[in-house]
Parts: sequence; structure tokens; C-alpha cells
Amino acid sequence: GQNIDQPTEMTATEGAIVQINCTYQTSGFNGLFWYQQHAGEAPTFLSYNVLDGLEEKGRFSSFLSRSKGYSYLLLKELQMKDSASYLCAVRGSTDSWGKLQFGAGTQVVVTP
Amino acid sequence: SQTIHQWPATLVQPVGSPLSLECTVEGTSNPNLYWYRQAAGRGLQLLFYSVGIGQISSEVPQNLSASRPQDRQFILSSKKLLLSDSGFYLCAWSVDGDQPQHFGDGTRLSIL
Repeated sequence: GQNIDQPTEMTATEGAIVQINCTYQTSGFNGLFWYQQHAGEAPTFLSYNVLDGLEEKGRFSSFLSRSKGYSYLLLKELQMKDSASYLCAVRGSTDSWGKLQFGAGTQVVVTP
Repeated sequence: SQTIHQWPATLVQPVGSPLSLECTVEGTSNPNLYWYRQAAGRGLQLLFYSVGIGQISSEVPQNLSASRPQDRQFILSSKKLLLSDSGFYLCAWSVDGDQPQHFGDGTRLSIL
């Protein structure tokens, strides 16, 4: 089975940095994904890590340590529009189906 | 570029009525297709996935079914809806099992 844990909620100030942690226990590992989901909307893809290390995409960065079963999503220079739920998802097998197991999401609240 | 269309956006159905939700993808061939359900305040639950026409795999036993009559069309159905079927239904596609999944806008289903 698979178990994915991330904090329920985080609050940060506009312009600050927030780090959302995700730990996972899976039977096999073939990639970790981060999605952003605004209230009432569908998730949108943010980043993808399959090897250890840091992937940077503008204000967003994602880090992966496979040996520790750990990832984080770093949001820099927070803007009000970054208030959303951030979903960590793990692809836990090496088959061709690409099935993802999602965490429950971390609600980030950005305050003025 | 690839786009995914999902309809309807919202749906209110009585208990015991049938259901048909449709999803189509444009701009790609032979995509992997997925149906998810998200209950209020919960993570995404994978319901069905398909890697080709007529090839459907079910993840969770339930009174829902899925079909893929054409390469880029994925349909979620039920003969008799239950109250517990309420939720936010999301269709997603990916180029293959290694690439990120991209979501449609979702259907918010309420059962009365």
C-alpha cells in the first residue's frame, strides 16, 4: 500500500517563503508530483521529481530525497493568488499506467 | 496544444437516477485517461484508468463504471446513483505512464 502525509494547513505572509513537506511510504517509487488546486477548481500541474535533488520553476521549487521518502515544495515571494491547496502525489510503481496516489493536500493561506 | 474537455460542469441528480459524464481530449493520440473523485475536503481518489480503447481498469469497487468508446473519449456512468456518489469528478489525461497528468475542469455532482 501507499501512505502520503502532508500538513493540513499553513499560513504565511505575502512576500514570504513557505515550504510544504510531503513524506511517503510506497511499494516502489517512480516519481513525485505537485499540483495546485484553487477552491472549486481542478488541480493544475506544478512540478515533477523522479531523481533526487531540486527542480526549480520560477517562484516554485520542488525537492526530492528518495532514500528518506521525502519531498518539499517551496513557494517564494508569496502572492495572494498563491492561496490554494497543494497536493503531493506519488507514482508508486514502474508499470505503464502512471497511476498516482494523492495526499489530502495542504491548504496554504497567504495573508496581507 | 492538447486540451481536455469535461461536461457538464455541475449536475444535480436524484438518488436512483442514472449518470453519464463525458470527457474528451484533443491534440494527442492514444492518451492514458483517468477518472478521479474528490469528496469535500478530501484528497483525490482514482476510480478508473484506461491505456487504450476498450481497456478499462477499476481501482475501487462501486456502482460506477467507465467506458472508452473512442481513442480520446472517456465516459463515467452509473445505472443508479447513491447519496455517497456526491463529489467532484475529475477526468485527467497523460501522454503515457511516465508523464504528468493534466486535469479537466471537473463536474460537481450533487445527489438529492
